[in-house]
Order: sequence, then structure tokens, then C-alpha cells
Amino acid sequence: GAGVSQSPSNKVTEKGKDVELRCDPISGHTALYWYRQRLGQGLEFLIYFQGNSAPDKSGLPSDRFSAERTGESVSTLTIQRTQQEDSAVYLCASSLSARRANIQYFGAGTRLSVL
Amino acid sequence: QKEVEQNSGPLSVPEGAIASLNCTYSDRVSQSFFWYRQYSGKSPELIMSIYSNGDKEDGRFTAQLNKASQYVSLLIRDSQPSDSATYLCAVNIEKDSSYKLIFGSGTRLLVRP
Repeated sequence: GAGVSQSPSNKVTEKGKDVELRCDPISGHTALYWYRQRLGQGLEFLIYFQGNSAPDKSGLPSDRFSAERTGESVSTLTIQRTQQEDSAVYLCASSLSARRANIQYFGAGTRLSVL
Repeated sequence: QKEVEQNSGPLSVPEGAIASLNCTYSDRVSQSFFWYRQYSGKSPELIMSIYSNGDKEDGRFTAQLNKASQYVSLLIRDSQPSDSATYLCAVNIEKDSSYKLIFGSGTRLLVRP
């Protein structure tokens, strides 16, 4: 596609429910990143994929968070048993590959609100 | 110590002035540095990238890098009200064949008409 696409753009859920967020990277980009941005804060790294494997999952806040990527394309970030502190904007980015100089391009994000 | 540090601001400058945004980082082996601009409610967009010591200019923007001091800055000349946004500094961190960007918390810039 022309850019990084994320869905849904907004998600309101009740505490304790599971949610699934989707990211469709730029065509041909092998690296895909997930970030979390709380209100008024910077970007917090969660996980990245090179191809379908995740070399670095160190940013996932707890075992309630998981992510997968298939076909070197779409990725889903799943949050189980959501808590109010999970409320944030979840941003996805992609780059040609996970090399030091490659630029990351961001999607518009999914705004998650946990009631 | 945070891996990437920025002053949260707001930095307020009059229209037409030079805005100077600063960032320090802790990982000495970082090689790639980026400035992203983020308007309220929008996703970050790349403004500048810099990889070598010195200055890099692109239009009204100049990025400056000093690896010895672990310092990177962004200068915006002839600031416009449309430049009002949060500016995020990002530093490439490489560890065990893992490459990722670490972002600062951002500096909010306000350009007064």
C-alpha cells in the first residue's frame, strides 16, 4: 500500500476484554515496529519484527501483550484482559529492513480506551 | 539515566526566530539519529536524519551531531506558526543484532505569530 495502515483507528473496550490491533506495513518493508504512546508522553518501544520473526520483544509490558506477523506483511498486536493503564495510542511503523540507517514510517495509530 | 533525553518544554519563540531543540543520548555506539515532528493527535513524521558528526541542512532545518558529547540538535530557522508541534529525537540502538529506535519524550515547540 501507499503508507502504513492501522485498524481500527479507535477502539473503546471494557476492562478485562481482549483487543486485537492490526498493522499493514508499506509494501516491500520487511521490518515492522510497534510503539505505545500515552497521553503527553514519548513513544515507548514494544516489539519489532524482521520478516516474521521478532528479534526483540523486550518492550512488551507484560505477558498480556503479544504480537505476531505472518507472510512478512500484516501484524497484529493482542492485549488480553485489558486494564485501564493500557489506554494509549498504539503506533505501528515499518522500514525497508531493521538496519541502522533505515527510516521508519508511521501509521496513524489506534487510540485504545479501556473503560 | 534515560537512553534519550529531551527538555519537554514548551519552547516558545516568536515567528521568524530560530528555534533550537536539543537531545542527549546515553549509548556511545549509536550511529543513526532522527528528528520526527508530531502534530497533536497525529503520528510522527520524519524531519531529518543524521549519521555523521557536524551539520546537515535541509531547507529551514539544520541537524547537528556531536558524538563525542553524545548530543544532537535541531535548528529551525525563520520559525513559522505551522512549526508548532512536538519534536521527537530518536536514536538507533543496536544490541545483540537487534536494531531499534529509542525515542525521547519530545519537546513541544510553540511559535507565536
